Amino acid sequence: QKEVEQNSGPLSVPEGAIASLNCTYSDRGSQSFFWYRQYSGKSPELIMSIYSNGDKEDGRFTAQVDKSSKYISLFIRDSQPSDSATYLCAVMVRSFKTIFGAGTRLFVKA
Amino acid sequence: DARVTQTPRHKVTEMGQEVTMRCQPILGHNTVFWYRQTMMQGLELLAYFRNRAPLDDSGMPKDRFSAEMPDATLATLKIQPSEPRDSAVYFCASGRAAWEQYFGPGTRLTVT
Repeated sequence: QKEVEQNSGPLSVPEGAIASLNCTYSDRGSQSFFWYRQYSGKSPELIMSIYSNGDKEDGRFTAQVDKSSKYISLFIRDSQPSDSATYLCAVMVRSFKTIFGAGTRLFVKA
Repeated sequence: DARVTQTPRHKVTEMGQEVTMRCQPILGHNTVFWYRQTMMQGLELLAYFRNRAPLDDSGMPKDRFSAEMPDATLATLKIQPSEPRDSAVYFCASGRAAWEQYFGPGTRLTVT
């Protein structure tokens, strides 16, 4: 079992809809969770970080962590074509070491 | 707008040759990470440094890869000898803490 599992997609949503992305992790001791966005041919860019159970909202983005089920989610409201990218979840499994999921490709159709 | 810089951006080399990739972290960042990204394996952590000291390089093939920070403004990743399976995009990232990682543009390496 991989330490961080993520569906590769592609996930296709119409413009204006809510995009829902998720991943699971295996290390129960993980404390820090991240979502990165990577446009094709570009480097990953941090969009959300969350350090406790529950929700965190930032603009159109909401990140959720459920430590009991080791499940991480990212919701993008009012999806725009510019949101089309690969979204990587990442988990800090111990101090300094971050494990990334394989990434989910999101397509937002205009 | 401070950014991580990496050189070269692209490198094509023949199997058996030495490859050196360089990274200049953002000024003031004391944590540096090296990652490799391929379609098959995704983004893999190779090594990370804090205050120029290597904290973990367990993700690196030890027989051919080496990573160093000669000074606070330069991190290097060296492959010797290179093999076709090393073909990937190599990213450097820096931050002021482990939870903060700003990625450079990457070096696209092709080993023929």
